[in-house]
Amino acid sequence: SQQGEEDPQALSIQEGENATMNCSYKTSINNLQWYRQNSGRGLVHLILIRSNEREKHSGRLRVTLDTSKKSSSLLITASRAADTASYFCATDVFSGYSTLTFGKGTMLLVSP
Amino acid sequence: SAVISQKPSRDICQRGTSLTIQCQVDSQVTMMFWYRQQPGQSLTLIATANQGSEATYESGFVIDKFPISRPNLTFSTLTVSNMSPEDSSIYLCSREYEQFFGPGTRLTVL
Repeated sequence: SQQGEEDPQALSIQEGENATMNCSYKTSINNLQWYRQNSGRGLVHLILIRSNEREKHSGRLRVTLDTSKKSSSLLITASRAADTASYFCATDVFSGYSTLTFGKGTMLLVSP
Repeated sequence: SAVISQKPSRDICQRGTSLTIQCQVDSQVTMMFWYRQQPGQSLTLIATANQGSEATYESGFVIDKFPISRPNLTFSTLTVSNMSPEDSSIYLCSREYEQFFGPGTRLTVL
């Protein structure tokens, strides 16, 4: 069964606006990762946040993690049309070795 | 970032045939992973391929249907056997340590 649940399932915004996607999960995790997928192609690793971290930045991306609420958010600031993609969170649980459990994803559409 | 390549990038196959997907990583890793992404869905882990031992399959996936080889620390193959249209998916491999993914193999079964 899937660990993460993203919301919203779909998000449509204008260029220049910020986009926020949320991810909730059910069990304790080692880390949480965000990926982007363009048009059913391969996954691009965006950012990893460890369970002892609360916030992480990478360029226009900001990720937060609240382990007490078992949730994470991905903020894309000043969005561009090229940010149009599906975004997935994936959790790395304490399974003895690293396997990822993916959420259902958020489809982001950024209109020019 | 890691470089992971997959071959083929896409294929169209007939029902009942088998396809072997290759995955090459640019550095030696102990574990590689195979995922399936059905149309419009998220990724589901098929199995973990540990060099030198049998692959470990997740619930719902069996070795007869998805045999995996891991002959060395940089290479793995996944075979989709006796294919049916329900096997039409994107198959992706990844490696441990921040799990970078390959570009995926888009499989269509007619």
